[in-house]
Amino acid sequence: DTGVSQNPRHKITKRGQNVTFRCDPISEHNRLYWYRQTLGQGPEFLTYFQNEAQLEKSRLLSDRFSAERPKGSFSTLEIQRTEQGDSAMYLCASSVVVDTQYFGPGTRLTVL
Amino acid sequence: GQQLNQSPQSMFIQEGEDVSMNCTSSSIFNTWLWYKQDPGEGPVLLIALYKAGELTSNGRLTAQFGITRKDSFLNISASIPSDVGIYFCAGQLNYGQNFVFGPGTRLSVLP
Repeated sequence: DTGVSQNPRHKITKRGQNVTFRCDPISEHNRLYWYRQTLGQGPEFLTYFQNEAQLEKSRLLSDRFSAERPKGSFSTLEIQRTEQGDSAMYLCASSVVVDTQYFGPGTRLTVL
Repeated sequence: GQQLNQSPQSMFIQEGEDVSMNCTSSSIFNTWLWYKQDPGEGPVLLIALYKAGELTSNGRLTAQFGITRKDSFLNISASIPSDVGIYFCAGQLNYGQNFVFGPGTRLSVLP
């Protein structure tokens, strides 16, 4: 399978814990995006990388959120001190410069 | 910020019928994407549109980039049960900027 992959697919955690998600983009895709999606809504942009550089961050990305793409390939999204409002589907997408984005299956986070 | 509206919010149709849905904005976009999302999965890209007036097909799906550049339309012909899902439009204001997604149109197909 050469699509975008995300791990884990599901994560249940207790409020206050830290969680980390991983995204492996389609190879040769230099752009990588993170989105959050809540029930009944479309994906909301969080941040994106071109190669290893983080070029844009949404104001939805609070200080508790951090994303990295250290070698310009896979990326991680960490949420520290999780809150119940962080419960959502976290989606990763990748693209080449043309900006036609391909999404992964998502990681569903539930904060208890 | 920019907002996209999708119409209708939801629709129930009989298998075999044609479907039309649209996406509108108060802003001018230079790229439109249409996605389908099944429950618990990520959105799957259906069609990408890059020029005003462009009409692009993908099997039974046809999408158009509106002439005003403020809207886009998606048509599905001869619907089948596997067309069930949520259809999202996404627009990009300027090349290189992030995409804004609409709230989706939920399609149900009755046998």
